[in-house]
Amino acid sequence: GAVVSQHPSRVICKSGTSVKIECRSLDFQATTMFWYRQFPKKSLMLMATSNEGSKATYEQGVEKDKFLINHASLTLSTLTVTSAHPEDSSFYICSARAGEDTDTQYFGPGTRLTVL
Amino acid sequence: DAKTTQPPSMDCAEGRAANLPCNHSTISGNEYVYWYRQIHSQGPQYIIHGLKNNETNEMASLIITEDRKSSTLILPHATLRDTAVYYCIVRASGGSNYKLTFGKGTLLTVNP
Repeated sequence: GAVVSQHPSRVICKSGTSVKIECRSLDFQATTMFWYRQFPKKSLMLMATSNEGSKATYEQGVEKDKFLINHASLTLSTLTVTSAHPEDSSFYICSARAGEDTDTQYFGPGTRLTVL
Repeated sequence: DAKTTQPPSMDCAEGRAANLPCNHSTISGNEYVYWYRQIHSQGPQYIIHGLKNNETNEMASLIITEDRKSSTLILPHATLRDTAVYYCIVRASGGSNYKLTFGKGTLLTVNP
C-alpha cells in the first residue's frame, strides 16, 4: 500500500517558537495532501488541504498565518506552526491522496507537538 | 457528504469475527463508503471502500445493503492488534473536494 511518513514523530518546544512538520509520500506522487489535528479523546479535524504548487485551502476557523502550509513538490508538504503556544499542543496528522484516479487517502503516523 | 452513525463501542473475542455496523441513510448515488481505523496514538489506516457491491481485501470485507443505507465492516478473525477506533465515512467521488470528515467512530476492543 501507499506509504506516508512524517517527521518528526514527536517535538517539544518552548512557547513562542516555530515548529515545522514534514509530510512525505514515499512511493507515490501526491498532488493533494491534507493536514489534520486531533486533540485527546477527540476525532480528527481537517485543518487544510494543500495542492502541489498552489496555496493551501484552510478550513473555517483555522488561522492561515499561524499554520503555514507549503506543498512544494509532489512528495512533500510541510506544516509550520508559528509562534506556538500551549493551546497548539496536539497530534498533527497528514494524509495524501494516492493519485489522480483515486480518492483514497493514506495517512502519516502523526506528530505529537507539546508546547511548554 | 452524507452523515454516518456508528455505535460508540463494541467488544469482540479474539479469533472471532468482528462485525462493525454503519448507518448512512442519506447516502447519495455517487457517494462511496470508506472505512479507516486508528490505533491509539497512530495515524488512521485505510481499510477498504465500496460503492454498492460487496468488497473484500486482505484486511476485511465490506457488506453494503442493497438500498445502500447501511453497511457492515467484517474482520473475519479478530486479533488483539485489531483493537482500534473504526471510522465509517461517506463521501462523493471526484470533483474538487476530497475531504474526509471523521465522526466519532466505533471503539472496537478485542479481548483475549
